[in-house]
Order: sequence, then structure tokens, then C-alpha cells
Amino acid sequence: DGGITQSPKYLFRKEGQNVTLSCEQNLNHDAMYWYRQDPGQGLRLIYYSQIVNDFQKGDIAEGYSVSREKKESFPLTVTSAQKNPTAFYLCASRVTGGNQPQHFGDGTRLSIL
Amino acid sequence: RKEVEQDPGPFNVPEGATVAFNCTYSNSASQSFFWYRQDCRKEPKLLMSVYSSGNEDGRFTAQLNRASQYISLLIRDSKLSDSATYLCVVYNQAGTALIFGKGTTLSVSS
Repeated sequence: DGGITQSPKYLFRKEGQNVTLSCEQNLNHDAMYWYRQDPGQGLRLIYYSQIVNDFQKGDIAEGYSVSREKKESFPLTVTSAQKNPTAFYLCASRVTGGNQPQHFGDGTRLSIL
Repeated sequence: RKEVEQDPGPFNVPEGATVAFNCTYSNSASQSFFWYRQDCRKEPKLLMSVYSSGNEDGRFTAQLNRASQYISLLIRDSKLSDSATYLCVVYNQAGTALIFGKGTTLSVSS
């Protein structure tokens, strides 16, 4: 089945620790995105990538880093510089060309220990 | 003006009711608009695209008013399963990423 897979589903971070959230898609989509959602809030864009080996900061990139070495994969690292990392993290992808909708993975919930 | 604004609700309606949500957007250059549905603690899922001429999918009707920069979603004959948060979504200025409203919560009761 084609889709977007995020792992892990739940993740706990210790103070001062970097953690990496995985996002893999087999939809052959060029563009991939990371969003953060806080309780009762909308989705905020962290980073996005339109093509392999290229990515742009979104609205709240500070404290996060990404890489896009393969079309299928867009991992997000939450660094120790992100002081309030507890949130629901959502990865999405879409076809580029034309204004196509995004499709989401089922998310990773990150909490601080 | 925020990029995408929605009335957060909640909208509490009985089964069978008709309910409408509105959403305003600030980027007059936006070309594409969508409604997503998000269930509690789940990922958003595409409900429908919004076309200039308006479009209907079963009990759901989406309308776009470019002059006033708002989008609407009408749900007829509400079902218990329609209870969710509905997200209004538009493309950003560069046309490279989607901007999400904070959502409108709908609760349908029997």
C-alpha cells in the first residue's frame, strides 16, 4: 500500500538530548513537509522540501533540523535548542506541479521526560 | 490579518441539522483551497478541494468567494460521525506550502 509512514508513534526526550523523527513515503512525491501541532492549535510549518537535497525553513524552524538525501525520506531532528518540544509532529507529502493537496502520515507524539 | 482565520466553535448540533463553517484568508493570490477533517489525536485528512465554481460531494458543499476572500463548508443532514475538527487550508504566498487554519470543532449529538 502506498502511503506515508512516521515513526516512532510516541517518543520521549530527555533534557539536552537530540531526537530524530522518521518520515518515509512511497508515493513518489517530490515535496515533503513537517508540521507541529500543539493542543487546541493549528498546524505550524517547520521545514519543507520541494526536491532532493534542498529544503526551506518554515515559520518555526528554530531548534529543528532536516535532511533530504533521498526522495522517499525526510527525517526531522529536534535539537536540544528547542526548549518546548512537546507536541504532535506531522509529516506530509504532495505531488508538485499544480496546487495539489498534501497527504499526512499518522504523526509522532513527542514528550519531555 | 492572519493568513487563515476560522471560528473555533464549538458548533454543537443535533443529528440531521445543517451546519456551515466560514473561513477567511489574507493572500489574495491564493489559487487553491481545501477543507481537511481532523479527528481527535489523529492526522488531518483531506475532505475536499474547493473550486471557484463551488463543488459538492454528497452531503458536503464547498464554496469560494474570491472577492471577499472567504471559503465556506456546508454540511447537510449531520451524522454523529461528522463530529471532528474541520481545517480550512490555503496555499502560502509562494505557492509552495499549505497554511492551515486552527480549525472549527463540530459536535453532532443524538
